[in-house]
Amino acid sequence: QITLKESGPTLVKPTETLTLTCTFSGFSLSTSGVGVAWIRQPPGKALEWLALLYWNDDKRYSPSLKSRFTITKDTSKNQVVLTMTNMDPVDTATYYCTHRHNLRGLDYWGQGTLVTVSS
Amino acid sequence: DIQMTQSPSTLSASVGDRVTITCRASQTISSWLAWYQQKPGKAPKLLIYKISSLESGVPSRFSGSGSGTEFTLTISSLQPDDFATYYCQQYNDYSWTFGQGTKVEIK
Repeated sequence: QITLKESGPTLVKPTETLTLTCTFSGFSLSTSGVGVAWIRQPPGKALEWLALLYWNDDKRYSPSLKSRFTITKDTSKNQVVLTMTNMDPVDTATYYCTHRHNLRGLDYWGQGTLVTVSS
Repeated sequence: DIQMTQSPSTLSASVGDRVTITCRASQTISSWLAWYQQKPGKAPKLLIYKISSLESGVPSRFSGSGSGTEFTLTISSLQPDDFATYYCQQYNDYSWTFGQGTKVEIK
């Protein structure tokens, strides 16, 4: 059974760096075709894809946010880490990590974690 | 970037109604088109992938179709559990995009 869980601070100040960790079980990030993606959703708004990390360490980022993001993995710990620099109040959102299936897309989601950016 | 535009933004319907949601891409996409259902306070749930493949466990009243730049999600007979927000998503290798969502409300 695949599960994912996001962890990290619930409150960050403007200009700070946010680090979110996705801890997963039920799959390995060294299996061909597998990926982990981060998606966010501001309160009352639509889903927004942020970043994707493939099993082979290939990485993809949202073009509009690319310069602020870094996604990395620790295969031994079954974790994927997303780092966002220069946080702004508009980055206030629920952040989800998801399992990427090579055919089915985002088939498993974490419960999400709400991050508020405020001084 | 490929933009995904859903219509309508809000849809009012009754139990038993046939409901169709449209998603248009700003350029031709391959078969990597998915639909998700989201209920308030919950993570989205995968309904349909590769345009028309039904995710395991999803009721058969949900179906997807389309090609090129226009895609549809159809609920053949709306049930009380189906009142939610629905999102389309294109997921090619390089960049992913979600539509802005369609909220299905009780009429």
